[in-house]
Amino acid sequence: DAGVIQSPRHEVTEMGQEVTLRCKPISGHDYLFWYRQTMMRGLELLIYFNNNVPIDDSGMPEDRFSAKMPNASFSTLKIQPSEPRDSAVYFCASSFERAYEQYFGPGTRLTVT
Amino acid sequence: QQQVKQSPQSLIVQKGGISIINCAYENTAFDYFPWYQQFPGKGPALLIAIRPDVSEKKEGRFTISFNKSAKQFSLHIMDSQPGDSATYFCAASISGGAQKLVFGQGTRLTINP
Repeated sequence: DAGVIQSPRHEVTEMGQEVTLRCKPISGHDYLFWYRQTMMRGLELLIYFNNNVPIDDSGMPEDRFSAKMPNASFSTLKIQPSEPRDSAVYFCASSFERAYEQYFGPGTRLTVT
Repeated sequence: QQQVKQSPQSLIVQKGGISIINCAYENTAFDYFPWYQQFPGKGPALLIAIRPDVSEKKEGRFTISFNKSAKQFSLHIMDSQPGDSATYFCAASISGGAQKLVFGQGTRLTINP
């Protein structure tokens, strides 16, 4: 398997623009997690899905953030409108049955100017 | 109570030395404690994990020590090598509950040659 695939790897956008991050989990995995990583706040869980259903979105910082998982092989994280404080590395991870064994993607480095 | 506190934030060790990273938790419902390793530009990857019914788990040069009464666990890297230089995250989860990980803040480990 190719592992968790994320796109784009780098995104630079201006404040106020819409940003969409994409994730393809490992085939057969039933959990999908979105994280944000910054120097100040470390690794934060934003939202996670089980069998395509959002289970816990308590980590989503504001209504500007939304996530969807229309099928087992694709998920998106959208920020609209984006702000400079959203600049971070966003990771997608997937797992099979057990949350403790998560496989992370390479991340998307987002820069909002 | 959901927090996992990790120390130190950064650590410099000479090649061949022992690297020690410590974590503490409050929630006694946690029953799985993984460690993740992250190299620059990559996503975290599961390194080793332990359940609280054992006091130690060893895999190669990596050992987790667990103290259930103190609610603490630590990662020991024996014979540390420059290739071990990375950021290490401890984490905790509840296997029967919400399928998510609570991560520590991370430790940036540098092994000097």
